[in-house]
Amino acid sequence: DIQMTQSPSSVSASVGDRVTITCRASQGVGTWLAWYQQKPGKAPKLLIYAASSLQSGVPSRFSGSGSETDFTLTISSLQPEDFATYYCQQGNRFPLTFGQGTRLQIK
Amino acid sequence: QVQLVESGGGLVKPGGSLRLSCAASGFTFSDYYLSWIRQAPGKGLEWISFITDSGNTIYYADSVRGRFSISRDNAEKSLHLQMDSLRADDTAVYYCARVSLEGTWIDYWGQGSLVTVSS
Repeated sequence: DIQMTQSPSSVSASVGDRVTITCRASQGVGTWLAWYQQKPGKAPKLLIYAASSLQSGVPSRFSGSGSETDFTLTISSLQPEDFATYYCQQGNRFPLTFGQGTRLQIK
Repeated sequence: QVQLVESGGGLVKPGGSLRLSCAASGFTFSDYYLSWIRQAPGKGLEWISFITDSGNTIYYADSVRGRFSISRDNAEKSLHLQMDSLRADDTAVYYCARVSLEGTWIDYWGQGSLVTVSS
């Protein structure tokens, strides 16, 4: 199975900050990588797919990059509604696997 | 608009069975692959099963293979998950999910259905 490791597990930041979350795959996944945002009690929401493509309706302050084993999700200027947990997921092969999540908290 | 609505969750004893259903609307159901994903309380996301548009190809996570069975009814626009031999560690919110046409990621999620396995 492909293991997905996110870092950090938790981060504190302020409104307006730039935040980067990384995701590392245990083997190459090409650009078969997605990022999701989840708020408490809610289903996850797709933000980025194919490593760098922005899902329709998602604000442009979210961006993704990377390929094979190393990926990043960047939020260019944090807004209050961005405080949530973020997950990466590889879609290269089954079983589909998720990172353990990164909790983004208000400083 | 795309909607996925799960039903069938609840409290079940260890060793028992439960059948989850997901009613879909707002898109051409038969065009899409689908998945079930779960999330244990306070934990991360775990993919557990996948089914192609025709239902001819199915995958399971090791953690549920042999105990869970995914199926779909394209005429009824519904997805199902038959869960047998349930264990305490199957306790989770179960999400019905639509797989994007762009690749194997989830572009729409249901609201989730809580399954609690406890004596």
